[in-house]
Amino acid sequence: SYELTQPLSVSVALGQTARITCGGNNIGSKNVHWYQQKPGQAPVLVIYRDSNRPSGIPERFSGSNSGNTATLTISRAQAGDEADYYCQVWDSSTYVFGTGTKVTVL
Amino acid sequence: QVQLVQSGAEVKKPGASVKVSCKASGYTFTSYYMHWVRQAPGQGLEWMGIINPSGGSTSYAQKFQGRVTMTRDTSTSTVYMELSSLRSEDTAVYYCARVGDWGGRNGMDVWGQGTTVTVSS
Repeated sequence: SYELTQPLSVSVALGQTARITCGGNNIGSKNVHWYQQKPGQAPVLVIYRDSNRPSGIPERFSGSNSGNTATLTISRAQAGDEADYYCQVWDSSTYVFGTGTKVTVL
Repeated sequence: QVQLVQSGAEVKKPGASVKVSCKASGYTFTSYYMHWVRQAPGQGLEWMGIINPSGGSTSYAQKFQGRVTMTRDTSTSTVYMELSSLRSEDTAVYYCARVGDWGGRNGMDVWGQGTTVTVSS
């Protein structure tokens, strides 16, 4: 079965840039979506199809995808960006989520 | 506004079944597919399956094959997820989430608030 690997945690200083990776075999050939989940809340879609932002998502959130790694970038990190982030793809008629990354803003 | 409203928390005994509902509003119910995703305490997101509210077709994760059934009622714009033979490992928050296509091109853009299911003797 297809696996998506994310770092357990990422720390970023307030106002700096955080990069969250999502590793998978030839993930560059797939559509990658990213979700933000704050404690006690449902996930929120922040990036779809590698690099597209849904309406209402700040431009500070961006995505890229190539080779075996997809990346979610959070620019000018704010305290409100502290959350868990999950990548997700569709593979062989199955929807797969990454292991999740906890982002801490220092 | 577009929203998905799920049924309330459930407490079940091992071996029992649970049926969770997800009522859609603010959009054309049959124009979007619906996923079910669960999250065990302190764990990540786990995909369970997807249903096409238009025709009722479904696809389930292999892990849940034989134990999960997803259905819909177009008259009330509601989808249901029933999980049988419950065990303690099924204790989790269960979410419904809307998606615009079946093949993974679009992300899950609207989520329900979640339903906590606790399995305990």
